[in-house]
Amino acid sequence: SAVISQKPSRDICQRGTSLTIQCQVDSQVTMMFWYRQQPGQSLTLIATANQGSEATYESGFVIDKFPISRPNLTFSTLTVSNMSPEDSSIYLCSVQAPQTSGSYNEQFFGPGTRLTVL
Amino acid sequence: QKEVEQNSGPLSVPEGAIASLNCTYSDRVSQSFFWYRQYSGKSPELIMSIYSNGDKEDGRFTAQLNKASQYVSLLIRDSQPSDSATYLCAVNMFGDYKLSFGAGTTVTVRA
Repeated sequence: SAVISQKPSRDICQRGTSLTIQCQVDSQVTMMFWYRQQPGQSLTLIATANQGSEATYESGFVIDKFPISRPNLTFSTLTVSNMSPEDSSIYLCSVQAPQTSGSYNEQFFGPGTRLTVL
Repeated sequence: QKEVEQNSGPLSVPEGAIASLNCTYSDRVSQSFFWYRQYSGKSPELIMSIYSNGDKEDGRFTAQLNKASQYVSLLIRDSQPSDSATYLCAVNMFGDYKLSFGAGTTVTVRA
């Protein structure tokens, strides 16, 4: 599977500021995703990062709050804008593995970014 | 109704026992099913994928899929303390690339 890295691994931010999280993959991938995992909760998909076009956001998530870039097939960023304590969460990027005759839609996750907003 | 539901935990099993995790899903056109293991403070790790009815074994893990009943399960045989983690069930619908996750079941293996 692809090796996925995220930066930063954790951060503590002040209310009203913004943080950009980077996701780097060691091979080209078609599909990249951004998830949020709030404390004690499961994963919620924020958006699909599309290369060369605007991200596709899930219900409840908007571009102004979570702008996403995908300049190429190995890199994406997620920005959490105008942060509030409710944005404290783990943010995860994932990539879809290449489809083969034996696997479909498998996703692999980066190590995550633990964000605390004061 | 939630799309993916897992049996509520936490689940505590003695070392060496079988841990049984269940997951039901609501969409009949679901085609791909996954189990992820997530250690505390870590990201989810894919441990099993299953696409056809029946059993799939990988080491001490066995995934079971029954599309008619819309459930998928994970058995962990000879449970070890290192199996203590939260297990997430994820489902993918036919024609879609997105995964829907269950809430997770936390397993504790007692030494």
